[in-house]
Amino acid sequence: GDSVTQMEGPVTLSEEAFLTINCTYTATGYPSLFWYVQYPGEGLQLLLKATKADDKGSNKGFEATYRKETTSFHLEKGSVQVSDSAVYFCALGEVTSGTYKYIFGTGTRLKVLA
Amino acid sequence: DAGVTQSPTHLIKTRGQQVTLRCSPKSGHDTVSWYQQALGQGPQFIFQYYEEEERQRGNFPDRFSGHQFPNYSSELNVNALLLGDSALYLCASSELSGTGALYGYTFGSGTRLTVV
Repeated sequence: GDSVTQMEGPVTLSEEAFLTINCTYTATGYPSLFWYVQYPGEGLQLLLKATKADDKGSNKGFEATYRKETTSFHLEKGSVQVSDSAVYFCALGEVTSGTYKYIFGTGTRLKVLA
Repeated sequence: DAGVTQSPTHLIKTRGQQVTLRCSPKSGHDTVSWYQQALGQGPQFIFQYYEEEERQRGNFPDRFSGHQFPNYSSELNVNALLLGDSALYLCASSELSGTGALYGYTFGSGTRLTVV
């Protein structure tokens, strides 16, 4: 079945460092891809999305490009802040029997030090 | 505009007991999905409700059941609780199942269930 693989964390960076969190997927169809962020004690917030190959999703300085040839959707940010410390989840959305659902990766914890 | 509201926020139950978790979707949304997030893991799909019917179920036993009401709110029920049911239970809503592809689902903050 479809699956998502994320790089294991935690990832620890200094403020203003460059961030990359790798995400690859396996899918039989053409899923939409998402990055969600979870701050401590909270639910998931949609960070960005891409619905087809070569689309670039972006939000709050984060970017990710849907790469069909490498089945990847890596998350990047040029300069992280302490407030970016959170757990980041890569997810694909698939339709099965007319129902749309997500398959999530295991999450990558990011810690940004001042 | 309120987002997805879940109650209670925290809950402690004993093994063998039954629990009911509640979810009110975002205004304008009619589809509700439930996910289980174990500690240190990504959320796992439990089931989805649309038009008061369960449309699809993930790999969860029949101890997990749900309901959707005419006002689109939903309940998740878990019977015969096991220690392994301890997790954060997330509710997500969207307007029509298919639009999750375009807009993403809106998640609630979850209910933290601890089984002792």
